[in-house]
Amino acid sequence: GDSVTQMEGPVTLSEEAFLTINCTYTATGYPSLFWYVQYPGEGLQLLLKATKADDKGSNKGFEATYRKETTSFHLEKGSVQVSDSAVYFCALSGRQTGANSKLTFGKGITLSVRP
Amino acid sequence: GAGVSQSPSNKVTEKGKDVELRCDPISGHTALYWYRQRLGQGLEFLIYFQGNSAPDKSGLPSDRFSAERTGESVSTLTIQRTQQEDSAVYLCASSLGGVLGNEQFFGPGTRLTVL
Repeated sequence: GDSVTQMEGPVTLSEEAFLTINCTYTATGYPSLFWYVQYPGEGLQLLLKATKADDKGSNKGFEATYRKETTSFHLEKGSVQVSDSAVYFCALSGRQTGANSKLTFGKGITLSVRP
Repeated sequence: GAGVSQSPSNKVTEKGKDVELRCDPISGHTALYWYRQRLGQGLEFLIYFQGNSAPDKSGLPSDRFSAERTGESVSTLTIQRTQQEDSAVYLCASSLGGVLGNEQFFGPGTRLTVL
C-alpha cells in the first residue's frame, strides 16, 4: 500500500538558518503530494502541494518539488523564522476521486526555531 | 467563513463506555474524512464519505468503530466499548471532492482519553 516516510525529528534551528525536511513516498500511479503544518494550538492546515512530476509547490517562503525519479518531496526554506515553529506532515493522495483521495501521512516532524 | 468544526474538543471516558464524536463540515463540501492521530504517530485514515455513495470504511480498525453521515452534512463517529488504545486525537476533514478539489480542510480535532 501507499506510504510516506519522513526524516526523524525533532529539529531545532536558529533563526535565519536553512531548512530541509526530507520526505519520500511509495505509491502506485501518480499521487498528489502535500505538506501540511500544525502550529501550536491550531488545527492542521495545508502548506503547499504538487500534483504532477517536476511541479514545485510554494507558500510562505517554503518550497517542495515533486521528484518522481527519486520519489521525494523534500520541504525547504531559505531562512526560517521563530513563527515557523510547528509540526510538519508530508502526505500523499491518489489523483482520482473516491477512496484514492484519502490522505496517507508521514509521522510528522517537530520544528523549533530559536531566536 | 465557517471552517470544519468538531465536538467535543476533549472527551475523557472510562474503558468499556461508548463515545460519539461529531463533525460539521464546510457547507457545500461533498467529501468528508475521519482520521486518527495517536501519540507520536502520523494520521491514520479511518473512513470516507462522498455524497450519497457507500462510504469507504477500509481504515476502521475494528467493528467497535462506526460512522454515519446524513446527506452532505454532519457526521458522527461512534466508538463502542472503548479501549485504552483508542486514546488519540480524532480529526475530521472535508473537501469539495472531484479531481480538482482534493484539498482537505481539517477541523481542530477531538482529543479522546480512555482511562
